[in-house]
Amino acid sequence: NAGVTQTPKFQVLKTGQSMTLQCAQDMNHNSMYWYRQDPGMGLRLIYYSASEGTTDKGEVPNGYNVSRLNKREFSLRLESAAPSQTSVYFCASSEPSAGGTGELFFGEGSRLTVL
Amino acid sequence: AQSVSQHNHHVILSEAASLELGCNYSYGGTVNLFWYVQYPGQHLQLLLKYFSGDPLVKGIKGFEAEFIKSKFSFNLRKPSVQWSDTAEYFCAVKNSGGYQKVTFGTGTKLQVIP
Repeated sequence: NAGVTQTPKFQVLKTGQSMTLQCAQDMNHNSMYWYRQDPGMGLRLIYYSASEGTTDKGEVPNGYNVSRLNKREFSLRLESAAPSQTSVYFCASSEPSAGGTGELFFGEGSRLTVL
Repeated sequence: AQSVSQHNHHVILSEAASLELGCNYSYGGTVNLFWYVQYPGQHLQLLLKYFSGDPLVKGIKGFEAEFIKSKFSFNLRKPSVQWSDTAEYFCAVKNSGGYQKVTFGTGTKLQVIP
């Protein structure tokens, strides 16, 4: 049972380059999330998708776009990478609280460095 | 908007010492509360959660947390820590309706000295 799978695990970009982080879950969850983790700042929500076909901004959406391709997949795109986007990115999924545990299941993380 | 505050950023304890990590949240409605743990080099995993009922929640590895609604707090406790508890701990709040948005605190790094 793979759970939440993120690719790539490591990436180095130059300022201005674009890239897409891929995330897929096999737990049939409705909700999916993208977080970034920075030292001393915890996890900050970039975007989330409560269900297939919907996406909403989180705390730090600037510089990012997302696509909820289907129920399984939720991708995060950096159109023009900046050094401030150097971070570890985590994808997560969950079921709603009602009828589900509400627990977040995380991927292994993607470490992105922008030079 | 919901928010979470963790007061301790870095805690150093000797093995067998007792642990209490503070967590306060801000949200006007009904919430679900979580503690997650991140061991070095790993992703976050659930330690325990509160949805309703008994405000004292027991989790894995001997951890527990108490939800005090009047204080908007959900502190994490463990009577006797072990070296293997060295990790970063995150408190999180989720609004129980609507968009299921989950907000995390800034985390507390726990270092347990043998």
